[in-house]
Amino acid sequence: QKEVEQNSGPLSVPEGAIASLNCTYSDRGSQSFFWYRQYSGKSPELIMSIYSNGDKEDGRFTAQLNKASQYVSLLIRDSQPSDSATYLCAVLDSGGYNKLIFGAGTRLAVHP
Amino acid sequence: NAGVTQTPKFQVLKTGQSMTLQCAQDMNHNSMYWYRQDPGMGLRLIYYSASEGTTDKGEVPNGYNVSRLNKREFSLRLESAAPSQTSVYFCASTNTGELFFGEGSRLTVL
Repeated sequence: QKEVEQNSGPLSVPEGAIASLNCTYSDRGSQSFFWYRQYSGKSPELIMSIYSNGDKEDGRFTAQLNKASQYVSLLIRDSQPSDSATYLCAVLDSGGYNKLIFGAGTRLAVHP
Repeated sequence: NAGVTQTPKFQVLKTGQSMTLQCAQDMNHNSMYWYRQDPGMGLRLIYYSASEGTTDKGEVPNGYNVSRLNKREFSLRLESAAPSQTSVYFCASTNTGELFFGEGSRLTVL
């Protein structure tokens, strides 16, 4: 059973701080990794994808990937109350068919 | 451009009743998926359709059936609903692995 592990949180950070969200995965053959944001009562929306080792930056968001350690992280700089949501880590199943395996999500709370 | 559209958005069933959740996408995606989301358990794959004409079981297929009606539409059927199927159901589609989700269907089975 391929698994994606995340700390459920809540992760509480003050406004303006850096939020660090982490994820580990078991499928060593995975090549594609995604972060989704999900507001309460809403559907997940894609915020970052990463395919190569290292960092990928997009605005206030930075995704980090270390395939050797099977570790993915998401950094949110200058956190805002509007960033308060559940963040889902997803890994593309190496078995094909574009199947994503999701972690249970980390709840982030940014307080003013 | 509507993206992924799911109906109904809310449904209450009694144990043993049947129903079908409908999903349609207008992004010309080949692959479509049905997930369920329960508190603390993330998204679990029920069934998927890698391309028109094919369907396969995911992680939690028991109690469900699916139909890939054409490239746009992928329906999920509960033949005899059980309280354990109370959940939020999401349909999604993709060509690349980057999933686009519908708004979800909240199902309660009494």
